[in-house]
Amino acid sequence: GQNIDQPTEMTATEGAIVQINCTYQTSGFNGLFWYQQHAGEAPTFLSYNVLDGLEEKGRFSSFLSRSKGYSYLLLKELQMKDSASYLCAVIGDDYKLSFGAGTTVTVRA
Amino acid sequence: IAGITQAPTSQILAAGRRMTLRCTQDMRHNAMYWYRQDLGLGLRLIHYSNTAGTTGKGEVPDGYSVSRANTDDFPLTLASAVPSQTSVYFCASSAAGGGSYNEQFFGPGTRLTVL
Repeated sequence: GQNIDQPTEMTATEGAIVQINCTYQTSGFNGLFWYQQHAGEAPTFLSYNVLDGLEEKGRFSSFLSRSKGYSYLLLKELQMKDSASYLCAVIGDDYKLSFGAGTTVTVRA
Repeated sequence: IAGITQAPTSQILAAGRRMTLRCTQDMRHNAMYWYRQDLGLGLRLIHYSNTAGTTGKGEVPDGYSVSRANTDDFPLTLASAVPSQTSVYFCASSAAGGGSYNEQFFGPGTRLTVL
């Protein structure tokens, strides 16, 4: 089975930085995705990591360590619109996405 | 270009009734998926199709069936709805069903309540 863990909730101040951790134990590993989901909306793609290291895309960065079964999503210069759920998802050896329960980030003024 | 559409947006259904959730994509993606999303559990895969004419079971397939007669459509049927099937259902598609890079694009979701 697949086990993907991430914190349930995080709160941060506008302009600050927040790091969302994700640990996984899966049958095989073929990549890790981060998705953003605003309340009542569909998930949308943020980032993809398959090799160790940091992928940077504007204010968002994602890091992967395959040996540790660990990833994080870093959100910089937080804006109110970043208030959303962030979903960590891993592709196992069945080539299907398994999702964590999601981390709800609340940005306060 | 619509991407992925789902219908209905929301539905209240009596237990025991049959219901089909519709999903259509116009991106000519080979693979399509159905997920349910429940509070605290995240997205769970119900059924998938790697290409037209083929389907497979996901993590929680019981009580659901799918068909994939063509590339664009992937309906999900609840033969006899039960209250535990109350959830938000998302349809998704990706260019290919296998391989490591498998970015999935999600539809807007259907909120289903079974009473």
